[in-house]
Amino acid sequence: AQKVTQAQTEISVVEKEDVTLDCVYETRDTTYYLFWYKQPPSGELVFLIRRNSFDEQNEISGRYSWNFQKSTSSFNFTITASQVVDSAVYFCALSERGSQGNLIFGKGTKLSVKP
Amino acid sequence: DAGVTQSPTHLIKTRGQQVTLRCSPKSGHDTVSWYQQALGQGPQFIFQYYEEEERQRGNFPDRFSGHQFPNYSSELNVNALLLGDSALYLCASSFVLAGQPYEQYFGPGTRLTVT
Repeated sequence: AQKVTQAQTEISVVEKEDVTLDCVYETRDTTYYLFWYKQPPSGELVFLIRRNSFDEQNEISGRYSWNFQKSTSSFNFTITASQVVDSAVYFCALSERGSQGNLIFGKGTKLSVKP
Repeated sequence: DAGVTQSPTHLIKTRGQQVTLRCSPKSGHDTVSWYQQALGQGPQFIFQYYEEEERQRGNFPDRFSGHQFPNYSSELNVNALLLGDSALYLCASSFVLAGQPYEQYFGPGTRLTVT
């Protein structure tokens, strides 16, 4: 069965701190895709990254970085030097081959960055 | 380049009524998926439309139905509304190239309240 677990319900940090959001997934497929989305208070989900199961290279984009480890079925997201504008709910999601790209979401982690 | 648009923004209905939500996909996208997001939860996949047909469906009752038009826009219909249908309804558009799904882009959502 496919499943995405985000064990951290809420995280609160002070501006400029680094923070890591955890994501653990379950799938029987050997080909799958992992995503992170950001949902600010406005409600619109904003795409951050897509990773396929054959590419375990970590990725860095500005203050954001992602660590994909197939051995532990994890796809963690780190924000370096957090800012108040990073405050949002972050969702990890899984898409299996044959699902036509449809997403299985975790329950999300609410990140609050205080000035 | 217009993103995914949804209407209306908010809607209040009475139990037992019917509702129609609308979505226009991002330019260049031919596939529309609908998700239901209850408060404090991750989005759950309802169904996906491609070439005016329902291509995939999640675990939702037949009260939830949809349609896709030749211009790729889509409607979500919910009949016999229940209190539990109160949620944020998100539309996402995407395309599939050579069998590989690409990221879904989400609209701002329609907040449905059933009283």
